[in-house]
Amino acid sequence: GIQVEQSPPDLILQEGANSTLRCNFSDSVNNLQWFHQNPWGQLINLFYIPSGTKQNGRLSATTVATERYSLLYISSSQTTDSGVYFCAPLLQAAGNKLTFGGGTRVLVKP
Amino acid sequence: DAGITQSPRHKVTETGTPVTLRCHQTENHRYMYWYRQDPGHGLRLIHYSYGVKDTDKGEVSDGYSVSRSKTEDFLLTLESATSSQTSVYFCAISDYGGRGETQYFGPGTRLLVL
Repeated sequence: GIQVEQSPPDLILQEGANSTLRCNFSDSVNNLQWFHQNPWGQLINLFYIPSGTKQNGRLSATTVATERYSLLYISSSQTTDSGVYFCAPLLQAAGNKLTFGGGTRVLVKP
Repeated sequence: DAGITQSPRHKVTETGTPVTLRCHQTENHRYMYWYRQDPGHGLRLIHYSYGVKDTDKGEVSDGYSVSRSKTEDFLLTLESATSSQTSVYFCAISDYGGRGETQYFGPGTRLLVL
C-alpha cells in the first residue's frame, strides 16, 4: 500500500543545534511539500520541492525522487522552530492527491 | 498568507445532530479540500472540489458530504455526527490541483462530538 514514513518521530534539540528530518515514500512523486504545524495548530508551507534542493533562510530541503526520499534540514535551530513537521508527497498511486506522513515532533529548548 | 477562513473555529455538538463547517477563500483558487487531523493518523483527505459544483471523494469520505455553489465557499456537512468524527478539520486551497502547485491551509476547526 501507499506509505509515507517520517523519521525520527520525535526530536529534542538544544537551541542552536542542527538537525535533519527524513521522509520516505513508496511511489513515484509529482510534487512534495513540507509543512510546519506550529504549537497553535496552524499549518505553514515551508517548501514545494518535487526534486532538487531549495533553501529558505535557516531551512533547506532536498528531494531525490528517483530514490523516493526527501530531507528537511534545520540549521541553528530556534525555539520558534518547535512544532510538528509534515512531509506530503503527491503520489501517483494515491490518485495524485497529497498523502501526509505521520510527522516529526520537534522541541527546541532554550 | 493565503486568504482562507474557517467557521466555526470551535464547535461542541451531540451525537446524531447535523453539523456544517464552512471554508471561505478570497484567492479565487479553483481547488478546495477538506482534511481531518487525528492523533496517529496525520492529515487525511475527506473530500475535494475542482470547481463550482464539481466534487469528489477522498480517503475518508464516509459520513461526510460537501457542496460548492460558489468559487469562494466549500461546505463540509456531517449529516449525523458521531463520536468518531471528533477531530480537527482543515480546509485547503490550490490553483492547479496539487500536481504543480502548493496547497495552502486554513486555521482549522476543532469539533467535539459528545
